[in-house]
Parts: sequence; structure tokens; C-alpha cells
Amino acid sequence: DAGVIQSPRHEVTEMGQEVTLRCKPISGHDYLFWYRQTMMRGLELLIYFNNNVPIDDSGMPEDRFSAKMPNASFSTLKIQPSEPRDSAVYFCASTIEGAGNTIYFGEGSWLTVV
Amino acid sequence: GDSVTQMEGPVTLSEEAFLTINCTYTATGYPSLFWYVQYPGEGLQLLLKATKADDKGSNKGFEATYRKETTSFHLEKGSVQVSDSAVYFCALSPHQGAQKLVFGQGTRLTINP
Repeated sequence: DAGVIQSPRHEVTEMGQEVTLRCKPISGHDYLFWYRQTMMRGLELLIYFNNNVPIDDSGMPEDRFSAKMPNASFSTLKIQPSEPRDSAVYFCASTIEGAGNTIYFGEGSWLTVV
Repeated sequence: GDSVTQMEGPVTLSEEAFLTINCTYTATGYPSLFWYVQYPGEGLQLLLKATKADDKGSNKGFEATYRKETTSFHLEKGSVQVSDSAVYFCALSPHQGAQKLVFGQGTRLTINP
């Protein structure tokens, strides 16, 4: 079975540009998470969805960040405008009710804003 | 709020050494506890978990016991290998049915041959 699929794997962009990260969760999973990993702050939960509905977005840093899940097989995390401090690895993860809280991670999108 | 504290790294050991990575947590209620591992350039993978007090999770020679009295979930392995070099994350899920995870800061482990 395919795991969580993220794109792009690596992105380098200039400050002020819009960045869109994409995620395809594991088929049948009803929870989707976006995490950010940095050296300074470790792993932070940005937002998570259940059945395509945002449940908790308290971790989203500011209005420059937005996330959508238009259907069960696709989600986006958008940063507009991007800033150098947004440089991080962004992980998407998914799980299904009844999985005993086991969450499956994608390989991450490595973002560098210059 | 809920939180997880791991021993600071990095940790460097020789092959076949005994490993302990300490993890303590703060949570209301009855959390589930997890260890995830992240190999270089990859996402996190579940290593083991325990859902109630005194449960022991184990996988690939690693073990951790859920200790409610000390709010701890220390990771141990009797004889490490070079292939165990990775970053290890302790995490909790606040309660059964809560799907989100709260992670510790991670501990980088390097095993030298």
C-alpha cells in the first residue's frame, strides 16, 4: 500500500513568494495532520482535519499560513507570503479512527526560503 | 497543558552498548505513549507504543514501560547497532480517542562501529 505522499520533496523559494505544499493521505484514513519540524522548536502540530473538516488549527503560526482539505484524498498547506523563518521540514500525516492513535507520516517537504 | 520531555542529546554510543533514552510526560487523564524513530531524510515511523499503565511496548529489540507513578516511558535496548542511528521522539496522545500527538524535542542517537 502507498503511504502518505507529499510534494514537493524539496523547495527553495524567495522571500515573499507563495508556497504550496501538497499531501495525499493513506486511502481510507479519516484524519490528516500537518506538522512542522525545525531545529529550534522540534515538531509542532500546525493543524489537523477529521473527515476533511479542520478540527484544531491553534498551531498555525499566523495568517500567512492556511490549510485546506477539499476531499478525502488531498490537502494543501499554503504560505503567503513566505519568510525565511518559515524554512523547515513540513510533514503530513494521517490515521484512521480505531488505529490506536498510530499516526503515519510522509517523508516531508523540505522548504528553504531565501 | 500536555507535554513531553526527553533527555537532551545528542547521544553517542559504541556498537553493542546498552541504550536508555529518558522520557517523562505531563498530562491530565490517561494518555497513550509512543516512541517514534526518524532515520536520515525520512519521515517518522512508529517504533512502539503503550496505552495503559504498566504496559510494555516492544519492537526491534527496543522496549519501553508505561510508568504512571513516575510519569515516564523510557526507551531501552540491550545492544545497539549502527543501523539504530536515528532521531528518537517520545510522544503522547492525550487520551484514548484523541488522535493528535504531542511530541518531545527528539534525541539524536549515533552508534559508532
